[in-house]
Amino acid sequence: DAKTTQPPSMDCAEGRAANLPCNHSTISGNEYVYWYRQIHSQGPQYIIHGLKNNETNEMASLIITEDRKSSTLILPHATLRDTAVYYCIVRRPLNTGTASKLTFGTGTRLQVTL
Amino acid sequence: NAGVMQNPRHLVRRRGQEARLRCSPMKGHSHVYWYRQLPEEGLKFMVYLQKENIIDESGMPKERFSAEFPKEGPSILRIQQVVRGDSAAYFCASSLAARDLISNQPQHFGDGTRLSIL
Repeated sequence: DAKTTQPPSMDCAEGRAANLPCNHSTISGNEYVYWYRQIHSQGPQYIIHGLKNNETNEMASLIITEDRKSSTLILPHATLRDTAVYYCIVRRPLNTGTASKLTFGTGTRLQVTL
Repeated sequence: NAGVMQNPRHLVRRRGQEARLRCSPMKGHSHVYWYRQLPEEGLKFMVYLQKENIIDESGMPKERFSAEFPKEGPSILRIQQVVRGDSAAYFCASSLAARDLISNQPQHFGDGTRLSIL
């Protein structure tokens, strides 16, 4: 799976947009970009995923650059409950052998403050 | 719709005992994955199962660890003769079957079982 690079930590003021970057310069054309977060002592929570187009759901927006070498997760109005470690993961489609597993890196520790 | 259910939430075993961790996937999900998170480390993939079949066990230790996902009932991760190094949080995830080989279905995680070895 393509390797991802994320800043180790970020701060964001409550009510502001949190923009979390991720570099995945070796991504292949059929690999998806996934975002998960893990709040302390809980299991990872799925946020969003995309292939080429930008995606939006009730939690966040995912912006993928045209060359697909980087992406940004946007939490439009961060709250204290969004404090967590955010993981950007590149995942192969199922027709490439052992593609289903998720490979977690070290993520970005987002601290939302008052 | 209930999420992925794991039990027990906490499990304490003495060295040499067996640990059995259970995972009930989300309703309608036929794919189950197990991950392990050692203290202060990231999650590592262990095994991927579909009903009654192990699809990928590339992350499973070669000895003492086994997993199953029977036709009826929860998925079980079994650790025999536990050692201190097995102390970790074990997370289960489930997903729907993909509509085709190209599409992706997200994995949804439970809140884990925290295994402590005395």
